[in-house]
Amino acid sequence: EVQLLESGGGLVQPGGSLRLSCAASGFTFNTYAMTWVRQAPGKGLEWVSAISGSGGSTYYADSVKGRFTISRDNSKNTLYLQMNSLRAEDTATYYCAKEARPDKYGSGSYPYDYWGQGTLVTVSS
Amino acid sequence: EIVLTQSPGTLSLSPGERATLSCRASQSVSSSYLAWYQQKPGQAPRLLINGASSRATGIPDRFSGSGSGTDFTLTISRLEPEDFAVYYCQQHGSSPPWTFGQGTKVEIK
Repeated sequence: EVQLLESGGGLVQPGGSLRLSCAASGFTFNTYAMTWVRQAPGKGLEWVSAISGSGGSTYYADSVKGRFTISRDNSKNTLYLQMNSLRAEDTATYYCAKEARPDKYGSGSYPYDYWGQGTLVTVSS
Repeated sequence: EIVLTQSPGTLSLSPGERATLSCRASQSVSSSYLAWYQQKPGQAPRLLINGASSRATGIPDRFSGSGSGTDFTLTISRLEPEDFAVYYCQQHGSSPPWTFGQGTKVEIK
């Protein structure tokens, strides 16, 4: 059974940093591209970042480029999102999601068939 | 960036009725790269349709997708009580960002 479990959310002051983690199980982690999607309170879904199965290719939304870094440790079956210089508008529930088909070297070719339960990040003083 | 515009914003219908949701793209999207998701309150999204018209695993056949180019449609043939939720379209596969529409809420009339 595929499981994705996010952690690391919480309250942080503007300008601060957080690192989110997503522990994966139930599939061959290193063959699937992974994605972070966020949802501000009461709002829609926003794609944030993606990484290929090998970790060699990364992709970012303009809204987070230069502030967020996506990475993965395939030996630990874990996806990360390092978030720096956080702003109030980064307040959201952050979901990790798995692409539906294997893609070791790219991302975006497939939709997301499994999602985590989400972790809430609140940026406020 | 490809902008997806969903309409209507809210759809008020009764159980048993047919729901037709629209997703319009600002530029052409390959049908292979258009997906629909369902999200219920407090839950993560669930993949319904991929490749514009293929139901994901375990999705009932009352859900169907169609369309091409810039115009795509999600149809729920007969609404069940569990279908009242928010629905999002997403384009992926071309250059990032892989954008979502703003969502259509299907509510009980």
